[in-house]
Amino acid sequence: EPEVTQTPSHQVTQMGQEVILRCVPISNHLYFYWYRQILGQKVEFLVSFYNNEISEKSEIFDDQFSVERPDGSNFTLKIRSTKLEDSAMYFCASGAGANYGYTFGSGTRLTVV
Amino acid sequence: QQQVKQSPQSLIVQKGGISIINCAYENTAFDYFPWYQQFPGKGPALLIAIRPDVSEKKEGRFTISFNKSAKQFSLHIMDSQPGDSATYFCAASQNQGGKLIFGQGTELSVKP
Repeated sequence: EPEVTQTPSHQVTQMGQEVILRCVPISNHLYFYWYRQILGQKVEFLVSFYNNEISEKSEIFDDQFSVERPDGSNFTLKIRSTKLEDSAMYFCASGAGANYGYTFGSGTRLTVV
Repeated sequence: QQQVKQSPQSLIVQKGGISIINCAYENTAFDYFPWYQQFPGKGPALLIAIRPDVSEKKEGRFTISFNKSAKQFSLHIMDSQPGDSATYFCAASQNQGGKLIFGQGTELSVKP
């Protein structure tokens, strides 16, 4: 079964450092997403990406965040200057369209110290 | 209006019993209602989903009941097994490719 692959699985970074979280969505999917989940809490939407541009973003997705699909296969989330409160699981998801559901990756656990 | 409210927060069921998790929404523009299962350290995995033009959908032991007028939907797990022990999230979205709005999650524990 096709999978969404995320790397790294765990990243520890110093506060103020930049991090890039990487995702390889399912190859024929058109819609790409980043979500985050703070430990023990619900999954929160960050940003959606379609047709090589951001289609929607949440209030969490401020100027510190950016997304890119540099080469047609990878989908990245960059956090420019990490804060302690950015510590969370970050999930990438992709979808062929709402009729077909969304597939989530296993996540990257980001720990900001 | 974008919220999806889920209950209960936790649920303990005996093996073989029925697990029932409920969700309610406000936004009548939502047109896709999936349920996700999440094991510790893993991403949410799509379990079953429904659209508002049907009132019920069944896949194996999992059934979604949907009440459009009440703006509620629920997940029923029949013959619950210890392997079903996980966190379950309901969600909703609107439009093609729309973001998912998740409920708070229900931690299900099925006792042998």
